[in-house]
Amino acid sequence: EAGVTQFPSHSVIEKGQTVTLRCDPISGHDNLYWYRRVMGKEIKFLLHFVKESKQDESGMPNNRFLAERTGGTYSTLKVQPAELEDSGVYFCASSQGQVNTEAFFGQGTRLTVV
Amino acid sequence: AQSVSQHNHHVILSEAASLELGCNYSYGGTVNLFWYVQYPGQHLQLLLKYFSGDPLVKGIKGFEAEFIKSKFSFNLRKPSVQWSDTAEYFCAVSPRYSSASKIIFGSGTRLSIRP
Repeated sequence: EAGVTQFPSHSVIEKGQTVTLRCDPISGHDNLYWYRRVMGKEIKFLLHFVKESKQDESGMPNNRFLAERTGGTYSTLKVQPAELEDSGVYFCASSQGQVNTEAFFGQGTRLTVV
Repeated sequence: AQSVSQHNHHVILSEAASLELGCNYSYGGTVNLFWYVQYPGQHLQLLLKYFSGDPLVKGIKGFEAEFIKSKFSFNLRKPSVQWSDTAEYFCAVSPRYSSASKIIFGSGTRLSIRP
């Protein structure tokens, strides 16, 4: 069975450009999460989807970030326009249940804004 | 505020050495505890977890961790490391009966093993 897949693995863009990150969760997992790790610091929660609905987006840093999960399958995270401080590793995870269930992570997308 | 502190940013060991990575957390309630590992170029994966019961938890690849409630600690141990253990290790905590949206991660410890 395929795990959580993220695309691209690396992205280098200029400040002011737009980037879209994609996450394909494990098939059948209703819960999808985005996290971000900036400059080797902690991995921090961004938002949580249950199917196509946003359950919790309290970690989204500002309105330059837009996450979608149309149809409740894969999700995209768009940054527009990108700023230098958006550089980091963006992780996606999925889980079958919510409470006390294991979340399975992807390998992350390394975003560099120059 | 909830937080997780990993004491070492980078640890370098020789093969067959014993490993202990420190982790302390700050949270007022009952918690779930995790250690995740990311091998170079691979997924972030769960190494072991503690929800309740025996505070000494066995994980994959010979790792174990001990939950000491009085010390708010969940240190990771392995008696004899291998070159293949080179990776970054993350300690994490979440409130009991919560989803992955409530997981708080530490800043990670990079482990380098000399062959």
